[in-house]
Amino acid sequence: DGGITQSPKYLFRKEGQNVTLSCEQNLNHDAMYWYRQDPGQGLRLIYYSQIVNDFQKGDIAEGYSVSREKKESFPLTVTSAQKNPTAFYLCASRGWDEQFFGPGTRLTVL
Amino acid sequence: GEDVEQSLFLSVREGDSSVINCTYTDSSSTYLYWYKQEPGAGLQLLTYIFSNMDMKQDQRLTVLLNKKDKHLSLRIADTQTGDSAIYFCAESDSGGYQKVTFGTGTKLQVIP
Repeated sequence: DGGITQSPKYLFRKEGQNVTLSCEQNLNHDAMYWYRQDPGQGLRLIYYSQIVNDFQKGDIAEGYSVSREKKESFPLTVTSAQKNPTAFYLCASRGWDEQFFGPGTRLTVL
Repeated sequence: GEDVEQSLFLSVREGDSSVINCTYTDSSSTYLYWYKQEPGAGLQLLTYIFSNMDMKQDQRLTVLLNKKDKHLSLRIADTQTGDSAIYFCAESDSGGYQKVTFGTGTKLQVIP
């Protein structure tokens, strides 16, 4: 099946720890994106990548980092510098017209 | 910068039509999307329309675009309880690699 997978579905982190969220796609899309969603709010763009080994900051990049070493993979690291990391994180990839989303990872900081 | 606005909530009775509205500010918007999000899940692409179109119909879904007023609507005919979800409007000014800007979402509640 073609699509986007994210893992894990739920993630718990202690304050002060870095965590990495996985995103993989087999749609052969060049562009990939990370969004953050808070309860009752829309999506805010964290980072996006247009091509392998290149990425750009979105609207709320502080406290996050990404890498794009392979076309299929776009992992997001939530660092200890992110002051309020508890949220639902969504990964997406885009062909020319359509943008598709993964199922999301819910991160909770304990 | 780009801005996309939606009303927060809509309640309809099962079997009625639902109309979800969206306005956007970017006059160069080329792609306009509608997504559906069920609780705890990712976003599902429902349909999209190019800016050179006025209308697109896909089964129970009808998208209307008024480019002059920068207004987009999604009509769901014969609304069912399974249509209860949050609906997001989104826009992009080009295809391919560019970012997509999302509205805050409209929560649709379908009353049996």
